[in-house]
Amino acid sequence: DAGVIQSPRHEVTEMGQEVTLRCKPISGHNSLFWYRQTMMRGLELLIYFNNNVPIDDSGMPEDRFSAKMPNASFSTLKIQPSEPRDSAVYFCASSFEQPQHFGDGTRLSIL
Amino acid sequence: AQKITQTQPGMFVQEKEAVTLDCTYDTSDPSYGLFWYKQPSSGEMIFLIYQGSYDQQNATEGRYSLNFQKARKSANLVISASQLGDSAMYFCAMREGRLAGGGADGLTFGKGTHLIIQP
Repeated sequence: DAGVIQSPRHEVTEMGQEVTLRCKPISGHNSLFWYRQTMMRGLELLIYFNNNVPIDDSGMPEDRFSAKMPNASFSTLKIQPSEPRDSAVYFCASSFEQPQHFGDGTRLSIL
Repeated sequence: AQKITQTQPGMFVQEKEAVTLDCTYDTSDPSYGLFWYKQPSSGEMIFLIYQGSYDQQNATEGRYSLNFQKARKSANLVISASQLGDSAMYFCAMREGRLAGGGADGLTFGKGTHLIIQP
């Protein structure tokens, strides 16, 4: 079975540019999560969806970040405008009950 | 206060020895779940084991077991007969509460323990 698929795997862009990260959850999973991992702050939950509905976005750092889940098989995390401090590994995870299965992550570098 | 505390930033262990990775948690919710994930140097997050707060028995998955001590709020991961491939970062995580109508909640992670298995 295919796992959680994230794209791109790596992204390098200049500050001020719009960045869009994509995630395809495991088929049949009804919950989707976006996490960010940095050396300073560790793994942090940004936002999660149940049945395509955003449940908790309190972890989204600021208005520059937005996430959507237009259907059960696709989600995006967008940063606009991007800043160097957004550099991190962004993980998408999905689940049906427990546990959460993670994608391989997107390594984002903002120059 | 931190919700998940992993007090061992790094550990060196001889191959074939058993390893215990410490995790303590803080919650006032009677319903919660505890998880351990492994992150090798390649970066992916691999689910290892899960323990629900109402589970009577300690969880086991192959060489992994979870030493769940509810009164002490600890959920230590035990790896038996360690192997070189066990070298990785290990994260303890917690899910609190349950959503009405089902669905899953986000996880709170500890800072992790960097485990190195030596030959």
